[in-house]
Parts: sequence; C-alpha cells; structure tokens
Amino acid sequence: KNEVEQSPQNLTAQEGEFITINCSYSVGISALHWLQQHPGGGIVSLFMLSSGKKKHGRLIATINIQEKHSSLHITASHPRDSAVYICAVMEYGNKLVFGAGTILRVKS
Amino acid sequence: DGGITQSPKYLFRKEGQNVTLSCEQNLNHDAMYWYRQDPGQGLRLIYYSQIVNDFQKGDIAEGYSVSREKKESFPLTVTSAQKNPTAFYLCASSRGSDTQYFGPGTRLTVL
Repeated sequence: KNEVEQSPQNLTAQEGEFITINCSYSVGISALHWLQQHPGGGIVSLFMLSSGKKKHGRLIATINIQEKHSSLHITASHPRDSAVYICAVMEYGNKLVFGAGTILRVKS
Repeated sequence: DGGITQSPKYLFRKEGQNVTLSCEQNLNHDAMYWYRQDPGQGLRLIYYSQIVNDFQKGDIAEGYSVSREKKESFPLTVTSAQKNPTAFYLCASSRGSDTQYFGPGTRLTVL
C-alpha cells in the first residue's frame, strides 16, 4: 500500500463545476503539500499546510491531521485548471513522499 | 527573476552512455533535490543535498551520481548502470523544510 493515496486518479468536469480531490496518507507528517503539474511538466506549489484550511483564489485546501486526510477543492472550475494535481506529505526529516497524482480535465 | 533552471528540456542518449542533467537555482536555497517521475507513479527521490559539499541518497539512487560543489548547482549524472533511465527528471530546491520550488524538468529518452 502506498504511503500517499489520491482519489480519483482521473476526473473530468464541466466548466463551472465544484471539484474535490482527496488525499489520504498513512505516516506521521510535519506538513502536506498540494502541487499542480501542467502538460509541459513543470510543477507549481499550490499549498503547504499542517492544519486547518487555506484558500487562494478559487482553490481551497483542507487537512484533518487526526484522520490523515486532505482535500483540494476548486470552485467554479475552468478549462485552464486542467492539470495533474499532486499531493505530497513531508515526513519528519524533510523528506517528501508523493501521491501518484489526479489528472483533471475541465471541459468548456 | 529568481528560479530554477534545468537543461536540456529533452535529452536523448544511447544505451551504455553516461549523461549529466543540469540544475541551477538563484533562490539562495541551501537544499536541492532530484526526483524521477514515471507514468502513473508519484515522484521518487533520487538524491538530495542540504548543504554544499554534502548529499544523501534518496529512495532510488542506484545508477545515479550527483555533486554539490556550489550552492547554486546540483548536477545529476545518469550512469550506464541505471537499468531503466528513460523518465522525466525534476530538480527542486528549498530553504530548509519550507516549500520546494521545482524546475521545468528534463525528459530523458534512452534509444
């Protein structure tokens, strides 16, 4: 079993829909990251959080440390949100462990 | 502008050849990392360096080597001992345990 599991693996949505991507992990962590990878391959960090909730524009990330679960929400989705979204947990000692990613496609 | 550069973007290599991937950052970060990405899998850590002249093996270091002679640079050599080198390679840097910043990646194909 992978230490970081993401669901769903693939997600297709219509423009304007509310999107949720889930991440569950099995190890103790100091922080959790949500990353975005565009088709060209470059990765951008969206959020780093260790508790509660963070919001940036139409993106919201939440984490429940007790349940070892995090969600990434996208409100009013747009085709430009189409990308791979990656959850990564930082174990103690600064090591990042990555999920396999969720491929999101938003259709207009 | 501060950031991380990787070169080249695409790299082709014949079997049995060593090849070096470049990674440079001007963010003044102490820590640098190399990851490998394969289809359907999460990124896996090859090597990391927390300070100049020091580096540590990651989860899949076999067949790879690195050096960290300068703070700004962390080149990765894919040696002929790496059995399945075709992959997408990403370099990252961070200030301690803060957010890691990623380069644009190098796609290596072995012919």
